[in-house]
Amino acid sequence: EVQLVESGGGLVKPGGSLRLSCAASGFTFSDYSMNWVRQAPGEGLEWVSSISSSSNSRYYADSVKGRFTISRDNAKNSVYLQMNSLRAEDTAVYYCVGGGGCSHWGQGTLVTVSS
Amino acid sequence: DIQMTQSPSSVSASVGDRVTITCRASQDVDRWLVWYQQRPGQAPKRLIYAASSLESGVPPRFGGSGSGTDFTLTISSLQPEDFATYFCQQTITFPITFGQGTRLEIK
Repeated sequence: EVQLVESGGGLVKPGGSLRLSCAASGFTFSDYSMNWVRQAPGEGLEWVSSISSSSNSRYYADSVKGRFTISRDNAKNSVYLQMNSLRAEDTAVYYCVGGGGCSHWGQGTLVTVSS
Repeated sequence: DIQMTQSPSSVSASVGDRVTITCRASQDVDRWLVWYQQRPGQAPKRLIYAASSLESGVPPRFGGSGSGTDFTLTISSLQPEDFATYFCQQTITFPITFGQGTRLEIK
């Protein structure tokens, strides 16, 4: 069974940093690109970032470019999102998504940016 | 960026009804179109990929069609567990973009 388990969310002040982690199991992690998608409270889905299977390619939404960094460790079956210079508008549930064509989603981790 | 526009934004229907949700892309996305279902408090669940391929385990009352810029998700006979929010997504190019969602409510 495919599982994606996010961690690292929490309350942070504007301008602060957080690092999200996602542990994957149940599939050959190193074969697939991975993604982060977020959902602000009561809002729709917003793609944040993607990383290719070998980390050769990384993509970011304009709203996070220059502030967020995606990375992965295929030996640990994990993907990460380093979030710096956080803003109130970054408040959302962050989902780890992958397994081929966004087929599998984690349960999400809540990030709240507030003073 | 490719804009994805869903209609309607919300719809009320009864158990047993047939419901169709549409998704229009601002540019040709070929068949790189995915449909998700999201129940309250849960993560989205993929229902349809490649515009019309049914995800394993998803009931056959769900169906997808379309290519290019116009797509539809049809639920042939609504069941109580189908009342949720549905999103379309294009994956042909970055940035990946989603429709704004269609909330399906019980009449």
